Amino acid sequence: SYVLTQPPSVSVAPGKTASITCGGNNLGSKSLSWFQQKAGQAPVLVIFNHDDRPSGIPERFSGSSSGNTATLTISRVEAGDEADYFCQVWDTNTNHHLFGGGTKVTVL
Amino acid sequence: EVNLLESGGGLVQSGGSLRLSCAASGFIFKNYALTWVRQAPGKGLEWVSTVSGSGGTTYYADSVKGRFTVSRDNSKNTLYLQMNSLRVEDAALYYCAKARQMWVDWAGFDFWGQGTLVSVSS
Repeated sequence: SYVLTQPPSVSVAPGKTASITCGGNNLGSKSLSWFQQKAGQAPVLVIFNHDDRPSGIPERFSGSSSGNTATLTISRVEAGDEADYFCQVWDTNTNHHLFGGGTKVTVL
Repeated sequence: EVNLLESGGGLVQSGGSLRLSCAASGFIFKNYALTWVRQAPGKGLEWVSTVSGSGGTTYYADSVKGRFTVSRDNSKNTLYLQMNSLRVEDAALYYCAKARQMWVDWAGFDFWGQGTLVSVSS
């Protein structure tokens, strides 16, 4: 079955850049989204179609993909960016949505 | 403004049943697929089920297939999840989420509710 792999944690200093990866077979050919989930809150869409940003999401959030890896990049990290981040795709082989295991971003 | 409000969660014994509801507003309900996603305490997100805008097509995770039934009432702008034969491992916060695109069942999600908590005792 299709699996999305994320690192469990990423630490970054304020003002620096955080990169969160999501790995999966032929990921670049799928429609991928990224969600931010702050403690005690529902997830929020921050990136869709690999690199599109919904209205209201700061330009500091960007997405990219190449081959089997997608990356969510948070530039000029702020304390308020501390959250869990999940990638998500639709698996056309099983007609299932899939989530990565999530990455906890800690702002030092 | 899109609003999704889940209800129906609670404490149930293993083997019991529960029906969750998700009342929606702020968009043309019948045009969008809707999805249930759950999150066990301290764990990640797990997709549970999706229903097309018309209600005619449904999709289930293997872990719930045959036990859970997703449905919707487009006249009431409400999504449902009937959960039978509940197991301890079904305990989680259950979110409903709206598809990002009209008429596209597989589109990702652009709005989520706040969730309703399901607890299952052994």
